[in-house]
This record gives sequence, C-alpha cells and structure tokens, in this order.
Amino acid sequence: KNQVEQSPQSLIILEGKNCTLQCNYTVSPFSNLRWYKQDTGRGPVSLTIMTFSENTKSNGRYTATLDADTKQSSLHITASQLSDSASYICVVSSSVYGNNRLAFGKGNQVVVIP
Amino acid sequence: IAGITQAPTSQILAAGRRMTLRCTQDMRHNAMYWYRQDLGLGLRLIHYSNTAGTTGKGEVPDGYSVSRANTDDFPLTLASAVPSQTSVYFCASSERGEPDTQYFGPGTRLTVL
Repeated sequence: KNQVEQSPQSLIILEGKNCTLQCNYTVSPFSNLRWYKQDTGRGPVSLTIMTFSENTKSNGRYTATLDADTKQSSLHITASQLSDSASYICVVSSSVYGNNRLAFGKGNQVVVIP
Repeated sequence: IAGITQAPTSQILAAGRRMTLRCTQDMRHNAMYWYRQDLGLGLRLIHYSNTAGTTGKGEVPDGYSVSRANTDDFPLTLASAVPSQTSVYFCASSERGEPDTQYFGPGTRLTVL
C-alpha cells in the first residue's frame, strides 16, 4: 500500500476559481512534507517544504497546510490561472541527513480551463 | 546557470542494448538522485549519491547502475535494457541530501523495444 495517498486523482477547475488538493500519509517517523508542481513534459519543481513544527506555508498563490497529528496535508491554489494546469505531487520524507527515505504520492492532475 | 541537464532528451533502444543516461549539475550540490516516472505509479527512486564517491540503492535499483566520480556528474547505466525499463527518467540534486529540497532535470524519455 502506498504510504502517500493523494486526492482527487484529477480535477478540472475554471480559471479564477480556488481549489484544494489533499495528501494523506502513513510515513513514520516524519521529517518533512513537500509539494512539487510538475508541468507536462518537465521535471517537478518544489513549491513548499514543511517540517513537523510548521502547519502552513505559502508560495505566491499556493498555500500548503500540514497536520502532523492526523498525517494530512493540503495544497490550496487561490485564483487559479491557466498556468496552474499541472500535476501536483506530495512527497513525505522520514530521512535525516545521509539516509534517503522518500515516499511519493501519485500526484493530483489539475486542469484549469478558461 | 543551467542547473541540471540531462541527455539525451529521448531515446528509442532495442532490448538487450546497453545505454547510459547522462546527468550534469552546475550547482555544486553534494547529493544526486535518479528517478523513474511511470503512469499511475509516480516517481520512484532508482539510485542516489550523497556525495562524490558514494552511491546507494533506492526503491527500484535492479537493472541499473550508477557512478559518482565527481560532484557534477551522475550517469545512470542500463547494462542490458528490457522493455519494462521504458519510462521517463529524472535526475535530481540537492545541496546536502535529505531533507534539502531536490531540484529536478528536464527528464529523459526512454523507450525499450
């Protein structure tokens, strides 16, 4: 069973509207959680990274939240633009330096339409 | 500054052939990674290197080998390609290794026939 589950799998939204993507994880021990944006045909680009003590972090119109107690995170996109059409990947790390253990979600596919 | 470059951009390869995917970064990052991304499966770690001269196995290392002779380069070799290795391969780097942010290259699309 995947340790990182994302929902919805895909989403179509109108330009200008808001949307929220969900990420639930079972990874333990927890080190940090990050959200990546991956445009079609390109490599993922980091949006946010949050450690255990952080419960919200913003990057422009993207706001990520983290509830380490319930092991849930969300990514909120405000006033969506056509360029927000992409896959959003949730990644949870249980690593400390020198020991790589990352769990990747399968991504939320977002399509923004005019 | 180019960041991370990968070559080739895409490749069609006959099964049984040897293939090396190249990855170079100019950020002087210590750690580098190779992932494969398949539809419906997401990104999976193949091999990683926390510093020049060291490598480690990821989630799906079988059929792949890596070397890290210097800081900048991290080639991935398929000794004898099989069709199940058809995928998009991403190289990434981070300054010191986990939990630092990883920066990804543009990817190599490999098709093994």
